[in-house]
Amino acid sequence: GQQLNQSPQSMFIQEGEDVSMNCTSSSIFNTWLWYKQEPGEGPVLLIALYKAGELTSNGRLTAQFGITRKDSFLNISASIPSDVGIYFCAGRPWGNEKLTFGTGTRLTIIP
Amino acid sequence: DVKVTQSSRYLVKRTGEKVFLECVQDMDHENMFWYRQDPGLGLRLIYFSYDVKMKEKGDIPEGYSVSREKKERFSLILESASTNQTSMYLCASSRPGSPHFGSGTRLTVV
Repeated sequence: GQQLNQSPQSMFIQEGEDVSMNCTSSSIFNTWLWYKQEPGEGPVLLIALYKAGELTSNGRLTAQFGITRKDSFLNISASIPSDVGIYFCAGRPWGNEKLTFGTGTRLTIIP
Repeated sequence: DVKVTQSSRYLVKRTGEKVFLECVQDMDHENMFWYRQDPGLGLRLIYFSYDVKMKEKGDIPEGYSVSREKKERFSLILESASTNQTSMYLCASSRPGSPHFGSGTRLTVV
């Protein structure tokens, strides 16, 4: 099965810094989703994107659906300790309920 | 809020045992999914069900089967557990729409 290219694989930042991560695919997707997973828990949906070019915010998080339909970006502004976790992108093609997931970006905040 | 409940957080089973992982959702969702999560590999789809008694293979169905006798319940079955099936197993459901996940079952096969 296909997997998305998600980068970076890991990030070490200081509290208060902004964070950017992205996913790229060789296929076109109709939906892009961003999830966060904390240790010992399942992924929690952060943002869902349904239209090319769409820019959506959820508090300090902002995500964009790339206009080529083959990429998506997630930004976190002014990071705080509770932002620590693994962030996953996921894409879904038209007419298909099955998601393809990226391999994740592990975010660590340095005290 | 959508609630997806996986019956066990941790399981330890012996090689060759038949293992059942249970998942229940309370939102009347049509779609249910079983994923496996391994370090560096992300989430990989094992099986998908879009209705009662309906199922589709995902990317890695070998060694697994599923059962969906009721809309709210989706079971993953390991017919004969092997050590390479040690992993985190995640169940999810959706209406269709954006899937919501359970907390996961960490299975260790010894």
